[in-house]
Amino acid sequence: AQSVTQLGSHVSVSEGALVLLRCNYSSSVPPYLFWYVQYPNQGLQLLLKYTSAATLVKGINGFEAEFKKSETSFHLTKPSAHMSDAAEYFCAVSDREDNDMRFGAGTRLTVKP
Amino acid sequence: KAGVTQTPRYLIKTRGQQVTLSCSPISGHRSVSWYQQTPGQGLQFLFEYFSETQRNKGNFPGRFSGRQFSNSRSEMNVSTLELGDSALYLCASSVTGNLYNEQFFGPGTRLTVL
Repeated sequence: AQSVTQLGSHVSVSEGALVLLRCNYSSSVPPYLFWYVQYPNQGLQLLLKYTSAATLVKGINGFEAEFKKSETSFHLTKPSAHMSDAAEYFCAVSDREDNDMRFGAGTRLTVKP
Repeated sequence: KAGVTQTPRYLIKTRGQQVTLSCSPISGHRSVSWYQQTPGQGLQFLFEYFSETQRNKGNFPGRFSGRQFSNSRSEMNVSTLELGDSALYLCASSVTGNLYNEQFFGPGTRLTVL
């Protein structure tokens, strides 16, 4: 079965600084990988997804992620953090065999002025 | 197009009671999935329904059940509530039900069990 590990339950950056949220996956078959964002008292919103096309995936709000098979990673980045990026971010994995979605534990991003 | 709606948004119950949560998917979406979110266990998959059939189920006890109606609306039921059932319950809908495609999440129902 597939799984994901998010390194760092809490990341703090200054406004304008690079955002890097780490995700490593484990899957015995080609994975589908996702990043979701959750704002307080809201559901999850899809930022981007990898489905075996381009390894560099661009998402909404200036976020992007790169699929690296050799490192089994799918880290999320944004060149310049904005105050509105403060939220919880979840990495998730799915595949065609199990057809369920496994989420990481989440990373809470704080943006300091 | 209206998003996924969940009712009620907040619910308080006592141990031993049962509860029913409702989810209305985006128009045209035939698949509804349910997730439980807790601080300790994170986001866990409960089950997925497509065209009124449960196609996949997570590792939860039989007290957790669900159903889907012909209009794709779904309900989730938890019987004999325990304190540990306190959580945010999220519903997500998708067109095909293949969970490697995009799912759209509702705002959730926050259940508190006293």
